[in-house]
Amino acid sequence: DVKVTQSSRYLVKRTGEKVFLECVQDMDHENMFWYRQDPGLGLRLIYFSYDVKMKEKGDIPEGYSVSREKKERFSLILESASTNQTSMYLCASSFTTGTGSAYEQYFGPGTRLTVT
Amino acid sequence: QKEVEQDPGPLSVPEGAIVSLNCTYSNSAFQYFMWYRQYSRKGPELLMYTYSSGNKEDGRFTAQVDKSSKYISLFIRDSQPSDSATYLCAMSRLYGQNFVFGPGTRLSVLP
Repeated sequence: DVKVTQSSRYLVKRTGEKVFLECVQDMDHENMFWYRQDPGLGLRLIYFSYDVKMKEKGDIPEGYSVSREKKERFSLILESASTNQTSMYLCASSFTTGTGSAYEQYFGPGTRLTVT
Repeated sequence: QKEVEQDPGPLSVPEGAIVSLNCTYSNSAFQYFMWYRQYSRKGPELLMYTYSSGNKEDGRFTAQVDKSSKYISLFIRDSQPSDSATYLCAMSRLYGQNFVFGPGTRLSVLP
């Protein structure tokens, strides 16, 4: 059974703080993704990674960075948190396109981040 | 215009009703279409996947894709209270890459 875990369910941070969101998957997936989910806007891709130490910008990378030092772990970093980064953050993973199920993304439970 | 549009609801139906959920999109290059279900305080999980146009059935769920109209649908037959969730459509141009999600429709099935 695929499991994607995220380090925190709820997080409250102050403006200007550096924030780390951690994601771990246990299925040996090559691909990992970070999304934010806001009402009326759906899921928007922040960054993704197709391999260790690889990263690609998504649709809304501004204000974020990522790190993937190990295959199972993908971290999202908010260098200087701002109130407009208050959101639900979802991590996902999937197999690479060479397999028969690359269309399916497995999501973690999400981290609700509030920046005050 | 957003790339993928979806009526946010909320949509309330009585138990046993047939539910129709829809998405429209603007990019004719989309070929892979998915429906995800998201329960409250959980991450989305894949419900249905279809490639190109046509229908796909899985139990009480049927997914339809009409590429000529850029319109996809998810039908739920004999809806149950356990179907109450937010339903997100997702699509991509390339296999396994660059997914674009709709904003989701919140469904409530009343006992």
